[in-house]
Formats: sequence, structure tokens, C-alpha cells
Amino acid sequence: QVQLVDSGGGVVQPGKSLRLSCAASGFTFSSFAMHWVRQTPGKGLEWVASISYDGNNKYYEDSVKGRFDISRDNSRTTLYLQMNSLRLEDTGLYFCARGRIAVAGGQHFDFWGQGTLVTVSS
Amino acid sequence: DIQMTQSPSSLSASVGDRVTITCRASQSINRFLNWYQQKPGKAPKLLIYDAFTLQSGVPSRFSGSGSGTEFTLTISSLEPEDFATYFCQRSKGYSFGQGTKVEIK
Repeated sequence: QVQLVDSGGGVVQPGKSLRLSCAASGFTFSSFAMHWVRQTPGKGLEWVASISYDGNNKYYEDSVKGRFDISRDNSRTTLYLQMNSLRLEDTGLYFCARGRIAVAGGQHFDFWGQGTLVTVSS
Repeated sequence: DIQMTQSPSSLSASVGDRVTITCRASQSINRFLNWYQQKPGKAPKLLIYDAFTLQSGVPSRFSGSGSGTEFTLTISSLEPEDFATYFCQRSKGYSFGQGTKVEIK
């Protein structure tokens, strides 16, 4: 069965870095786009970043552009989110999600990890 | 950027009630709209995509409708396990609505 396991969260000071991981199993990882979504008290659910199935295309929410880097290792079936220059407002629960392209061309997130908590605090 | 606004932000209902949640987009998004259910401490669960297509395994009491700027999620007869928070999401651009919490009356 499809499984996504998020890890790497923790408590970090503002300006520091953290790398999240999402270990995937139960499906052909290299065939699917993947996403990071976060949930914060202030903004609710917020899409953070996306990466195409082959890693060649990456997209970011405006507030994380230039600070976060999404990547993937298809040989290890793992998704990553490198978070640099962390801010207080980056605090939240981070989920990875598998993207599935619908017939009409949009994407829906059909499987999610359990989430990993990132706390940015001085 | 296209904004997604849900209403109401919360509602109280009883088992067996018909419940309708609305999601409005600040400009037309055709049918590019997903719905998710989230329970406390859990990841969101996909219910509906492309505005009205039911995800595999989701009970048929859930339905979606709408296009353009206004969409609805309907639960035809509320079950105890349906008390949760519901989110809409653009399927191109991926922004979410702020959520609608369905509570027990």
C-alpha cells in the first residue's frame, strides 16, 4: 500500500536550516509529482513547494522562494525539503503529499505523510 | 493570486443532517477544485477532485458541484465519522481555503 513517512522536523532558531525527508513506498515513486504542504495556526493549510516526477521542474510559494529547496532521489524513493534562513512564521506541521494529475489537467493530493513538526523559536 | 474563501467557517449539525459547504474563488478556476477532510492530529484526506469526481473509497453521501467561482461540498446525511474540518483547494496553483469545521450540535 502507498505509504509516505515524513521526518526531520525539530526546534530551530531563526536564520538556521533544517532538512525534511519523506520516505515513499508502495508505488512507483519516479512516476509522480510530489508536494510539501504546511499547516500553521495563522494561515491554515498552505502549499509550500512542488517537484515534477523527474525532478526537472520545481515550484515554490512566494514566501519561501530563495530560502527553501525541494528535491528528490528517485533511486532512494525519497523527497526532501531543504529549509534555509528559517523564520518564526515557518513554524508548522509539514506534510509531503503525492500529486495525481486528473484528466482535466489539475492535480490532487491523493496520499499524504503523517507530518513532521517544525518549530522556529529563539 | 487567486484567493479561496470558504463559508461558513464552522457549523453545528446533527447526525442525519444534510450539510453544505461553499468555496468561492476570487476569479474563475473552471472545474479545478479539490475537497479534503481533516480530523484532529491527522493528515488531510482527499474526498473529491475536479469539482465533482469522488475519490475511490469515499462514501457516496459526499458530493461536489460547481464551476467557475462557486463550488459546494454536500454531505447528504451526516454520519458520526464526518465531524471534521473540510478544505477546498485549487488544483492548479494549489492554494487552500481556510477550512470549515463541522461540529456536533
